[in-house]
Amino acid sequence: DAGVIQSPRHEVTEMGQEVTLRCKPISGHDYLFWYRQTMMRGLELLIYFNNNVPIDDSGMPEDRFSAKMPNASFSTLKIQPSEPRDSAVYFCASTTGDRAPYEQYFGPGTRLTVT
Amino acid sequence: AQTVTQSQPEMSVQEAETVTLSCTYDTSESDYYLFWYKQPPSRQMILVIRQEAYKQQNATENRFSVNFQKAAKSFSLKISDSQLGDAAMYFCAYRRDIRGGKLIFGQGTELSVKP
Repeated sequence: DAGVIQSPRHEVTEMGQEVTLRCKPISGHDYLFWYRQTMMRGLELLIYFNNNVPIDDSGMPEDRFSAKMPNASFSTLKIQPSEPRDSAVYFCASTTGDRAPYEQYFGPGTRLTVT
Repeated sequence: AQTVTQSQPEMSVQEAETVTLSCTYDTSESDYYLFWYKQPPSRQMILVIRQEAYKQQNATENRFSVNFQKAAKSFSLKISDSQLGDAAMYFCAYRRDIRGGKLIFGQGTELSVKP
């Protein structure tokens, strides 16, 4: 398997622009997680899905952030409008709920810079 | 709420020597997992070692071992025979033993290895 795939790997955009981050989970995994890594707050969960349904979005910072999972093999995290404080590394991770220990496999991350 | 604390922002070790990274956590749950992740400059999150809370035996993976003290809520990582490739950021993480359990990370310890 190719592992969790994220695109783009790097994104530089100007304040106010819309940004879309993409994730393809490992085939057969039914849980998908979006984490954000910043210097100030470290690594934190933004949202996670089970069978394409959002289960916990309590970590989503504000209404400018939205996430979707239209099918089992694709998810997006959108920021509109983007702000400089959104600059961070965004990770996607997936796992299967079929067997413990429900290991989460991380993608390579997307480094977002908002100028 | 569960929390994870790493009190050592930076550590340094001489090549071939042994180093121990500290981690404490807080939870009222009885079933959970603890992890150490390695993040090299490539940003990839690499699972180093996992400990199930119900297991009394400390986990070991080659040169990496943990000292799990459940009552004290302590989970340290020992790296033996340190190698230059061990230089990275190390994150301690907690997860409840449930499907879809989110990872809660510490702030990280940056390990440097001196030749």
